[in-house]
Amino acid sequence: EIVLTQSPGTLSLSPGERATLSCRASQSVRNNYLAWYQQKPGQAPRLLIYGASSRATGIPDRFSGSGSGTDFTLTISRLEPEDFAVYYCQQYGSSARGTFGQGTKVEI
Amino acid sequence: EVQLVESGGGLVQPGRSLRLSCAASGFSFDDYAMHWVRQAPGKGLDWVSDISWNSGNIGYADSVKGRFTISRDNAKNSLYLQMNSLRAEDTALYYCAKDALLGVTTYYFDSWGQGTLVTVSS
Repeated sequence: EIVLTQSPGTLSLSPGERATLSCRASQSVRNNYLAWYQQKPGQAPRLLIYGASSRATGIPDRFSGSGSGTDFTLTISRLEPEDFAVYYCQQYGSSARGTFGQGTKVEI
Repeated sequence: EVQLVESGGGLVQPGRSLRLSCAASGFSFDDYAMHWVRQAPGKGLDWVSDISWNSGNIGYADSVKGRFTISRDNAKNSLYLQMNSLRAEDTALYYCAKDALLGVTTYYFDSWGQGTLVTVSS
């Protein structure tokens, strides 16, 4: 089973700054089947990125995903106040279905 | 607009059963695989179970295999999760989630409900 490790656990930044979140897999993610979700307090997760780098419908272009194999990154180019949330990566390429990372909290 | 509304959660004693439901609207329900994903209080996300568009393929996380049963009624646009032999570690917010692609099961999710809380405690 692929284990996803996200870092850092918490990222403290200010609005307007750039956020770089990491997701490392214990083995190569097949076809780069890696997604990113955003979850705000009291809300359901929202799909941001799929296929490592494709933005989901309606997601602003300040969100971008990159990476391949075992190392993936979610970048938020300029943080807006509404971007402060917890972010999860998920791999969906292995037989273990959709395994998630433990999350990175982006806080002010 | 896609809407997924879960119901059926509550407080239940260890060893007892509970049935969750998810009412879907705003999309062609019988074209998509559906999933249950749970989140223990203050914790991360865990995939629980999936069912293909025609119920032909079903899967479970090891932690719930043999205790939980997923099903769907395409005529009623509804998804279900029968949970038996509940344990304290099953305490979580249970989300219904729609698979992202039509006709296949991809295991990533483009729409989520708001969740229903299951608390297993004596």
